[in-house]
Amino acid sequence: AQSVAQPEDQVNVAEGNPLTVKCTYSVSGNPYLFWYVQYPNRGLQFLLKYITGDNLVKGSYGFEAEFNKSQTSFHLKKPSALVSDSALYFCAVRDMVNTDKLIFGTGTRLQVFP
Amino acid sequence: GAVVSQHPSRVICKSGTSVKIECRSLDFQATTMFWYRQFPKQSLMLMATSNEGSKATYEQGVEKDKFLINHASLTLSTLTVTSAHPEDSSFYICSAVLTTYTQYFGPGTRLTVL
Repeated sequence: AQSVAQPEDQVNVAEGNPLTVKCTYSVSGNPYLFWYVQYPNRGLQFLLKYITGDNLVKGSYGFEAEFNKSQTSFHLKKPSALVSDSALYFCAVRDMVNTDKLIFGTGTRLQVFP
Repeated sequence: GAVVSQHPSRVICKSGTSVKIECRSLDFQATTMFWYRQFPKQSLMLMATSNEGSKATYEQGVEKDKFLINHASLTLSTLTVTSAHPEDSSFYICSAVLTTYTQYFGPGTRLTVL
């Protein structure tokens, strides 16, 4: 079965420090992977995606993610966290059967402290 | 670009009434839109896939007679919650597919049924 796992419910980091939000996936075939961010009472905003090519993907707001096929991971990273990065982050993978559908992880709440 | 709007952003209704939520792609056409439901501190649950000009495809366990979906044009999909009850209170989010594999999300609608 296809799935996405975000093992951490919450990640706390001090402002200015690097941050990592973890995501692992389980799909057959080549995965198409996505990161979205959700601010309180708002919809999801697209951050970045990996479809093919360079394993390091750069996205919006200074975020990047690294696709690691051997570890089946797609961790989200940022070199220097901002308080305004505090939000809920979702990792998703394309459904291999219905390719327009996304399978979401359970979300990780990122809290950046001043 | 790629802006998706939802209306209303917040609605409170009495039990037994019906509520319509609109989802519009403002600057692009979307053959496919999705409707999600999100409970507090939880991930998104896909309710249905809305296809322009055809019947919606509902996920297992979602009552199609209760959650009516209409995708009358390439820029508008509506979700009608019929005979709403308190357990239908939730955050409803739509998304529209712009390019292959990438969904853009609306800001969400908070439904409270008294």
